[in-house]
Amino acid sequence: ETGVTQTPRHLVMGMTNKKSLKCEQHLGHNAMYWYKQSAKKPLELMFVYSLEERVENNSVPSRFSPECPNSSHLFLHLHTLQPEDSALYLCASSPPGGDEQFFGPGTRLTVL
Amino acid sequence: GESVGLHLPTLSVQEGDNSIINCAYSNSASDYFIWYKQESGKGPQFIIDIRSNMDKRQGQRVTVLLNKTVKHLSLQIAATQPGDSAVYFCAEGSDTGRRALTFGSGTRLQVQP
Repeated sequence: ETGVTQTPRHLVMGMTNKKSLKCEQHLGHNAMYWYKQSAKKPLELMFVYSLEERVENNSVPSRFSPECPNSSHLFLHLHTLQPEDSALYLCASSPPGGDEQFFGPGTRLTVL
Repeated sequence: GESVGLHLPTLSVQEGDNSIINCAYSNSASDYFIWYKQESGKGPQFIIDIRSNMDKRQGQRVTVLLNKTVKHLSLQIAATQPGDSAVYFCAEGSDTGRRALTFGSGTRLQVQP
């Protein structure tokens, strides 16, 4: 276990639903990330938060909305998703000055 | 754009043999490289990293080699075990700019008993 937790682990939602993914770490890390992992693509960076401030928004559609209320929690709010958004959504965090990113187990999202 | 890619999608080895997983990268400005292992149903797990000013680094049963001349990275696993079966990703990062990694497409390692 890396110390990064994600809930829920599995989520099935319709295209008109609104849901949120949660990520949590109590490792003292100061940066948190959302990645998307789909079947035939490399891990794709979505958002980066450093010291609770969004420093990267990697051309992600507005139907994905991140929130970082404090350095230990990160959310990904989902609304009006498309079936092609079905994927494994991974959260990661990294310590100050550190290269390594610690990943959570991911949320397997299916959009019907 | 810059990218990190893996040559082989699947590598099958016998238990006890050594495994070599390769990765080509294109961003010569990357400051460090990391190998991750991802088992089914889990997130990527850190294996080993190497800074761009090094050409070799060893860990427990693993060695990473970096050849900047040809922009090539490899992960060597000694005495491969069934528990090593997973998908392996290389990733590159930079000390400047965004704090994020660029990942390759992954290689699946299958260890035959």
